[in-house]
Amino acid sequence: GQSLEQPSEVTAVEGAIVQINCTYQTSGFYGLSWYQQHDGGAPTFLSYNALDGLEETGRFSSFLSRSDSYGYLLLQELQMKDSASYFCAVRDRTGRRALTFGSGTRLQVQP
Amino acid sequence: NAGVTQTPKFQVLKTGQSMTLQCAQDMNHNSMYWYRQDPGMGLRLIYYSASEGTTDKGEVPNGYNVSRLNKREFSLRLESAAPSQTSVYFCASSEEGQGGYTFGSGTRLTVV
Repeated sequence: GQSLEQPSEVTAVEGAIVQINCTYQTSGFYGLSWYQQHDGGAPTFLSYNALDGLEETGRFSSFLSRSDSYGYLLLQELQMKDSASYFCAVRDRTGRRALTFGSGTRLQVQP
Repeated sequence: NAGVTQTPKFQVLKTGQSMTLQCAQDMNHNSMYWYRQDPGMGLRLIYYSASEGTTDKGEVPNGYNVSRLNKREFSLRLESAAPSQTSVYFCASSEEGQGGYTFGSGTRLTVV
């Protein structure tokens, strides 16, 4: 099976940079995804890393190290609207061909 | 707008009642999924359909059934609702093997 660990809460101030870490245990790893979810809303896709390294999309970047079974989501120039929950998710090569999600990190951005 | 449409958005059931949650996508995706999300938790996979005509159990399939009616539609049925099934249900779709899912807006189900 798969398991993912990420911090439950992170607090940062507007304009700052925050990093949300995710460690995973799985077999036959395919890739690591990140999703954002505002309170009462649906998850929305942010990024997907299949290979080691950093992927940048605007203010958001995602990093993957397959040898360390570790990834992170980096949010720069934080804005109040970034206050949300962030989930990492993995898909592996065995059995179920669907994403397994972590429990989520609640990010609170303060003025 | 293209995307995933779920109905209903809210539902209250009595214990033992049955209902079907509907999901349709217009992005021509092969794969569709049903997840449930309990307060303060991540999403747990109930069932998924990798392609039209196939369905497979996820992490928490007990008490649920699904039907992949065609490529667009994937429904979730609760035959005899229980309070433990109170949750928010999300349908999603994707291209086969892709990490980017498109989610519907969710169905908030309460079983009393």
